[in-house]
Amino acid sequence: DAGITQSPRHKVTETGTPVTLRCHQTENHRYMYWYRQDPGHGLRLIHYSYGVKDTDKGEVSDGYSVSRSKTEDFLLTLESATSSQTSVYFCAISGGLAGPTDTQYFGPGTRLTVL
Amino acid sequence: AQSVTQLDSQVPVFEEAPVELRCNYSSSVSVYLFWYVQYPNQGLQLLLKYLSGSTLVESINGFEAEFNKSQTSFHLRKPSVHISDTAEYFCAVTPSSNTGKLIFGQGTTLQVKP
Repeated sequence: DAGITQSPRHKVTETGTPVTLRCHQTENHRYMYWYRQDPGHGLRLIHYSYGVKDTDKGEVSDGYSVSRSKTEDFLLTLESATSSQTSVYFCAISGGLAGPTDTQYFGPGTRLTVL
Repeated sequence: AQSVTQLDSQVPVFEEAPVELRCNYSSSVSVYLFWYVQYPNQGLQLLLKYLSGSTLVESINGFEAEFNKSQTSFHLRKPSVHISDTAEYFCAVTPSSNTGKLIFGQGTTLQVKP
């Protein structure tokens, strides 16, 4: 298995509070991604990173920000959590050498509940 | 823009029966195609992918998928399923010129019954 960990694995928080999810990899892969998984929607890309301090938006980026200060860590922040952000969040990594054909490896997920 | 439609949200099937999970996509540019599998309470794993060449691709555990450009489809098949194949299956595409951003379908839950 690719060395990807996500923390926390479960979190319950209240509307309006800030939340930060962490993705950590030990593979030295260039690309990192944050997705959210919701029933009936599959997975949707929130943000991605193509290198340290290089990030870009995905299709559902509103309400989320990211940071990548080290190759191994990619943080996802909900500045002010809303109930619509209740979801399962997955981090993924890829080596990027082959570009879009690279396999993405997924972490175990973080289940976030916003009350 | 690209989109992916998985035509069945749930597919119940008996063990040792054949199965087909359907996937159609829409894109104005050439794409690469993927099938990922998610076992209960786990992350996603790559099952197989089509990049170029032979339109039939196979996985190590007996699944295969055929790229049909004229019908813009990438259906997943297995001639004989096992209980252990019970999982959610996701079809995904990425534009061939992109940085690997995947667009996923809604997912199909395969329920294999004894």
